Amino acid sequence: GQNIDQPTEMTATEGAIVQINCTYQTSGFNGLFWYQQHAGEAPTFLSYNVLDGLEEKGRFSSFLSRSKGYSYLLLKELQMKDSASYLCAVWNSGYALNFGKGTSLLVTP
Amino acid sequence: DAGVIQSPRHEVTEMGQEVTLRCKPISGHDYLFWYRQTMMRGLELLIYFNNNVPIDDSGMPEDRFSAKMPNASFSTLKIQPSEPRDSAVYFCASSLEGTPTGEQYFGPGTRLTVT
Repeated sequence: GQNIDQPTEMTATEGAIVQINCTYQTSGFNGLFWYQQHAGEAPTFLSYNVLDGLEEKGRFSSFLSRSKGYSYLLLKELQMKDSASYLCAVWNSGYALNFGKGTSLLVTP
Repeated sequence: DAGVIQSPRHEVTEMGQEVTLRCKPISGHDYLFWYRQTMMRGLELLIYFNNNVPIDDSGMPEDRFSAKMPNASFSTLKIQPSEPRDSAVYFCASSLEGTPTGEQYFGPGTRLTVT
């Protein structure tokens, strides 16, 4: 079986930095994804980690520790448009992704 | 490319009726996925296809659900008979084999309401 945990909600201020954590327990591991989903829209790909360490892409960075079953998404210089749900997903076998329930981020002025 | 196309975007039906959701993947993609999203359960994988062949349907809730992919550019998800608990947003996604990231491209979704 598998278990993917994320906080349900987070609030942060425009211009600030926020870290969204994800812990997982899966029977196999081929990589971890972060997706962004604005309300009423489809999820869109943000990042992929397969090796331990930090991957940086503009204002967004993603970290992975395979031994700890832990990842985080770091959002810098928050903008109002970053208000969305952030989904952690584990690729554990075949080509199927298993998603967490998502973290709803609210960015306030 | 137009991206993944789904139809209809919204569907309201009465309990007991048959519902058919449609998906056109991105041209050239050889994996197609059907997901269901609800507030309670999040985004759940229902079934996925590789080269039009169903690979894993373990997420299909019960026999009322069926999915087909008659060719590389079209797939359907059918619910017969529908029940109120089937109300959800159904997403179709596609990806290209061989990409190390396994990145999936999602369609806009079909919001299904069963009354």
